[in-house]
Amino acid sequence: AQKVTQAQTEISVVEKEDVTLDCVYETRDTTYYLFWYKQPPSGELVFLIRRNSFDEQNEISGRYSWNFQKSTSSFNFTITASQVVDSAVYFCALSGTNTGNQFYFGTGTSLTVIP
Amino acid sequence: EAGVVQSPRYKIIEKKQPVAFWCNPISGHNTLYWYRQNLGQGPELLIRYENEEAVDDSQLPKDRFSAERLKGVDSTLKIQPAELGDSAVYLCASSLTGVLAGANVLTFGAGSRLTVL
Repeated sequence: AQKVTQAQTEISVVEKEDVTLDCVYETRDTTYYLFWYKQPPSGELVFLIRRNSFDEQNEISGRYSWNFQKSTSSFNFTITASQVVDSAVYFCALSGTNTGNQFYFGTGTSLTVIP
Repeated sequence: EAGVVQSPRYKIIEKKQPVAFWCNPISGHNTLYWYRQNLGQGPELLIRYENEEAVDDSQLPKDRFSAERLKGVDSTLKIQPAELGDSAVYLCASSLTGVLAGANVLTFGAGSRLTVL
């Protein structure tokens, strides 16, 4: 079964604080992709990152960083020095090679950054 | 490059009325998806097309929902008749399927917000 769990429904932080969004996944595929998408209040889902299951290197892009650990089936997302513009709903998603191109989304984490 | 274009952005209808949503994917993207997103939830797949073929429509309520992707480019999703529970945002996404860099990444449109009264 393919499943993505985002246990944190809502998070509030004060501006400039760091925040980590958790994502845990289940898959039987040996090759799969993991994704993070951002959905700001405007509603459009914006792609942030894709990670191949064979690449466990952590990645940093500006204030964003991602920690992929196959041993715990987790793909966590950290925002450093959060800003008000980071306020959005963030979705983690999974796509496995054995399920064609079907994407499985978590229920999302709503992040509010308080100025 | 134009992104995924959807219309209308907003639609308010009475229950039992029909409604249609249109999507134009990114040029060259062979895979097209329709998702439904209820408030506070993640997107849920309704139907997926590979070119003009519907390869996964297992979650599409076929008694009232229909979709088509003529010529493997733009697509239309129809609901007839609409029910109160159909109120949601209908998202269209497209991707390039394959092993190329950048493939298998969903690009979403802005969505069509449906309210059924």
